[in-house]
Amino acid sequence: QKEVEQNSGPLSVPEGAIASLNCTYSDRGSQSFFWYRQYSGKSPELIMFIYSNGDKEDGRFTAQLNKASQYVSLLIRDSQPSDSATYLCAVRPNSGNTPLVFGKGTRLSVIA
Amino acid sequence: DADVTQTPRNRITKTGKRIMLECSQTKGHDRMYWYRQDPGLGLQLIYYSFDVKDINKGEISDGYSVSRQAQAKFSLSLESAIPNQTALYFCATSDASGGAVNEQFFGPGTRLTVL
Repeated sequence: QKEVEQNSGPLSVPEGAIASLNCTYSDRGSQSFFWYRQYSGKSPELIMFIYSNGDKEDGRFTAQLNKASQYVSLLIRDSQPSDSATYLCAVRPNSGNTPLVFGKGTRLSVIA
Repeated sequence: DADVTQTPRNRITKTGKRIMLECSQTKGHDRMYWYRQDPGLGLQLIYYSFDVKDINKGEISDGYSVSRQAQAKFSLSLESAIPNQTALYFCATSDASGGAVNEQFFGPGTRLTVL
């Protein structure tokens, strides 16, 4: 069973702080990793994907991947109240043509 | 216009009724998926299809069936709805040509309530 684990939260951070969201996965051969943001009652939308070890930055968002530790994280700098949402980590397994495996998500609350 | 559409957006039905949820996409993607989401349980894969002739069960397919009528259309049916199928249902698509980094795009969701 391929698993993706996330702390359910809520993670509360003050406005302007850095929010750090973490995800671990069980399939060592997983190929690529995605972070989705989901507002309450809405559909998930992709924020970033990463497939190489290291950091990938896009605006206020940085994804970090460590394949040896089977760990992927999302940092949100200068957090805003509009960042309050559930963040879903998704992993593409090594078994080729299979759907993404999603974690249950971490709920982030940014306090003004 | 939205790339992935779902109809209906909201539905209330009674136990035992047959319900069909429809998904259409204009993205030209080969791959389509149906998920359900319950509070605190994340996204659970019901069925997926990699092309018109390919249908695969997901982790929670019992009580559901699907039909891939065309590349752009993928329908989910609840043969005899029961209250624990009350949930938010999402359709998603992805492009096979994107390789390992092809993301899944989600429709707006259907909120289904079974009384």
